[in-house]
Amino acid sequence: DADVTQTPRNRITKTGKRIMLECSQTKGHDRMYWYRQDPGLGLRLIYYSFDVKDINKGEISDGYSVSRQAQAKFSLSLESAIPNQTALYFCATSDLGAGGETQYFGPGTRLLVL
Amino acid sequence: QQQVKQSPQSLIVQKGGISIINCAYENTAFDYFPWYQQFPGKGPALLIAIRPDVSEKKEGRFTISFNKSAKQFSLHIMDSQPGDSATYFCAATNAGNMLTFGGGTRLMVKP
Repeated sequence: DADVTQTPRNRITKTGKRIMLECSQTKGHDRMYWYRQDPGLGLRLIYYSFDVKDINKGEISDGYSVSRQAQAKFSLSLESAIPNQTALYFCATSDLGAGGETQYFGPGTRLLVL
Repeated sequence: QQQVKQSPQSLIVQKGGISIINCAYENTAFDYFPWYQQFPGKGPALLIAIRPDVSEKKEGRFTISFNKSAKQFSLHIMDSQPGDSATYFCAATNAGNMLTFGGGTRLMVKP
């Protein structure tokens, strides 16, 4: 979805390195999320933010940190990468429609930690 | 605590068959139940959704069936096609809250 972009799309790094994954959105949404998806598994929530001044931990926040630089930007950092953080990472934004929340996902960042 | 349980984890269906994915929830406050579809290499995207005031919603070959008393809902894909091969996630939420996703089902439709 071009409205939610993630950079880089692929990244290979070494154990112990600090890396940052970036997410930008042009949808004008206040809510943003970071998820992790492992092969054959579902989506696990890392962090979420309901506005620029709001940051909340998800179910698997250990080893990760985030920064909400602006309404449109939400970055995920791995302070010291480890191999079990190898996964597919998705950023998402959301709005609240008449029915309920709809999340819009970016294309994902595939991360390999050696 | 997993509030939305999804089954099966994987499913293989022949072309033209019916694919059925089931979800069960615990939180009776949930009042919006969407399904997301994820193709390989892509992020999930909203496919179809239902509110509990109806028992069924149909969009093309995709139908959600909802059983409020059993706290269960399911996705039926009629006349399944190879292009339907994807991972499907059910989800649930209630007024203003964020989605809770099920664990996902990987569907393969064989030609």
